[in-house]
Amino acid sequence: SAVISQKPSRDICQRGTSLTIQCQVDSQVTMMFWYRQQPGQSLTLIATANQGSEATYESGFVIDKFPISRPNLTFSTLTVSNMSPEDSSIYLCSVEGGRGSGEQFFGPGTRLTVL
Amino acid sequence: AQSVSQHNHHVILSEAASLELGCNYSYGGTVNLFWYVQYPGQHLQLLLKYFSGDPLVKGIKGFEAEFIKSKFSFNLRKPSVQWSDTAEYFCAVNWGGADGLTFGKGTHLIIQP
Repeated sequence: SAVISQKPSRDICQRGTSLTIQCQVDSQVTMMFWYRQQPGQSLTLIATANQGSEATYESGFVIDKFPISRPNLTFSTLTVSNMSPEDSSIYLCSVEGGRGSGEQFFGPGTRLTVL
Repeated sequence: AQSVSQHNHHVILSEAASLELGCNYSYGGTVNLFWYVQYPGQHLQLLLKYFSGDPLVKGIKGFEAEFIKSKFSFNLRKPSVQWSDTAEYFCAVNWGGADGLTFGKGTHLIIQP
């Protein structure tokens, strides 16, 4: 399994500002994923980030709101832009477990509160 | 749209009771199935997984799950729960090797000593 870290672990932000969340993994992986877990809800996939290509966004998520970078095989960032209170969530990154199985390992998450 | 349903959102049991958490999914094709657990204050961890083969799979900490294709189900079971099993449990599905996982809404399990 992979060891994944995220920064920051939590933050409180003002409406209209942006926050960039970092995800670091201890081994090289092709696919990284970003999820959102809104209060009392389940995890929802935001986008898939492959190194060297544009991120692929799920329905309801757009690049202007959630720009993603994937500069190398161990690192990715997710930016939450022009935040509103509805963006208050836990944001998690995950990496593939290999073999095209869909198995994923998750980071600890970033708890974001927007005032 | 493809979806995952967990029927029990909050479950309270006493120690040594048996546990079964339901999970159903909507897609009839090839699926890979997972149960994840999130203990209080900890990361999401993989509990068990089904890719193919024996439909009864065993995971960590005495958990098991049975894949019933005809019922589109992947229920989680444990014969005798412990207080340390208090956690949030998520069923997740990968649709035929596609990217990403679809999660159920989760079940908050509380075990009373």
